[in-house]
Amino acid sequence: ELKVEQNPLFLSMQEGKNYTIYCNYSTTSDRLYWYRQDPGKSLESLFVLLSNGAVKQEGRLMASLDTKARLSTLHITAAVHDLSATYFCAVDMRLVFGAGTILRVKS
Amino acid sequence: NAGVTQTPKFRILKIGQSMTLQCTQDMNHNYMYWYRQDPGMGLKLIYYSVGAGITDKGEVPNGYNVSRSTTEDFPLRLELAAPSQTSVYFCASSDTDWNTEAFFGQGTRLTVV
Repeated sequence: ELKVEQNPLFLSMQEGKNYTIYCNYSTTSDRLYWYRQDPGKSLESLFVLLSNGAVKQEGRLMASLDTKARLSTLHITAAVHDLSATYFCAVDMRLVFGAGTILRVKS
Repeated sequence: NAGVTQTPKFRILKIGQSMTLQCTQDMNHNYMYWYRQDPGMGLKLIYYSVGAGITDKGEVPNGYNVSRSTTEDFPLRLELAAPSQTSVYFCASSDTDWNTEAFFGQGTRLTVV
């Protein structure tokens, strides 16, 4: 059974700081997704990662994938308040989700 | 360009009642999914489908049924509503193209009282 674990589950950051969210999964998978969810809203796609060593960047967010370690990271650079949201990773074509990381950026 | 459309947006059901949550996508995607999200929690996969006529159980299928008679539609049926089914339900679809993300509907907020 595929299990997806994210950590931390809650992250409070100061503006301007850097931090990383981790996503581990239990069985081999050919794809990994990162999503953002604002309170009361649906999910917004951030990244699709398809191969070992894949790295994608959009603004202050950068995602990477290590399929051998079954690990993906979402790195936040110089956080700003607008990045406050819940971030989810999802694995496999079945889209099995992690529990999510609630990110709060404080000024 | 509608994407994934879910109806209704909100619904209150009484215990024991039945209802169908509708999901339609206009992107000709083969894969479709149903999730539930409890307050403050992640998304749990209920059922998914890889094409018309093919469905499979996810992590939490008990109390739900699905059908996929067309590529566009993937309704979720609750037969005997229970308070434990109070949740927000999301439908999603994706293509078999490896480089595309899954698109989510706006959700259905269901309360069972």
